[in-house]
Amino acid sequence: GNSVTQMEGPVTLSEEAFLTINCTYTATGYPSLFWYVQYPGEGLQLLLKATKADDKGSNKGFEATYRKETTSFHLEKGSVQVSDSAVYFCALSETAAGNKLTFGGGTRVLVKP
Amino acid sequence: EAGVTQFPSHSVIEKGQTVTLRCDPISGHDNLYWYRRVMGKEIKFLLHFVKESKQDESGMPNNRFLAERTGGTYSTLKVQPAELEDSGVYFCASSQGLGQLNTEAFFGQGTRLTVV
Repeated sequence: GNSVTQMEGPVTLSEEAFLTINCTYTATGYPSLFWYVQYPGEGLQLLLKATKADDKGSNKGFEATYRKETTSFHLEKGSVQVSDSAVYFCALSETAAGNKLTFGGGTRVLVKP
Repeated sequence: EAGVTQFPSHSVIEKGQTVTLRCDPISGHDNLYWYRRVMGKEIKFLLHFVKESKQDESGMPNNRFLAERTGGTYSTLKVQPAELEDSGVYFCASSQGLGQLNTEAFFGQGTRLTVV
């Protein structure tokens, strides 16, 4: 079956630091890959996505590249802000499976001023 | 346009009681999904409705959980009787269409269920 593994947190950073959250996946088919973010007190929001190998998703300064050869989709941001403090979830879905999402365990990120 | 709405936002019940969670998807979204996150672990799929039909209920943990989607609109998830291990955050999500590549799922804020 499908699975997603992401680095455990919490990750504590200073403002303007570089952020990387590792994510690797196992899938039976050709999944699409996602990063969701949950800010304090809010629901899950789609941060970015990539639908095929070598695609790069980007949003709000975050980037992730779909690497089929390493089955990875690592999330990066060059300069984090306090407002980036949240829980980040890596996920995959397959159209053949009704687009249901398989999530990683989530990584809590805390950015200190 | 209203997003996905879940009721209640929090619920505390005693073991053995019944709780019903409700989800109102975005209007016009055929797909409705239930997920839950238990004890800070990964978010796990429970089931998927397409309109009023259950497309996939492979993630439902046991027969104490019953989901319905009346008329293909809102959905309810009933837990009866609740057990301690049912505590967690239950998320609902909705999306347009079926068979469309990577149609975005929009999530509600979740219902935090605590069974004591």
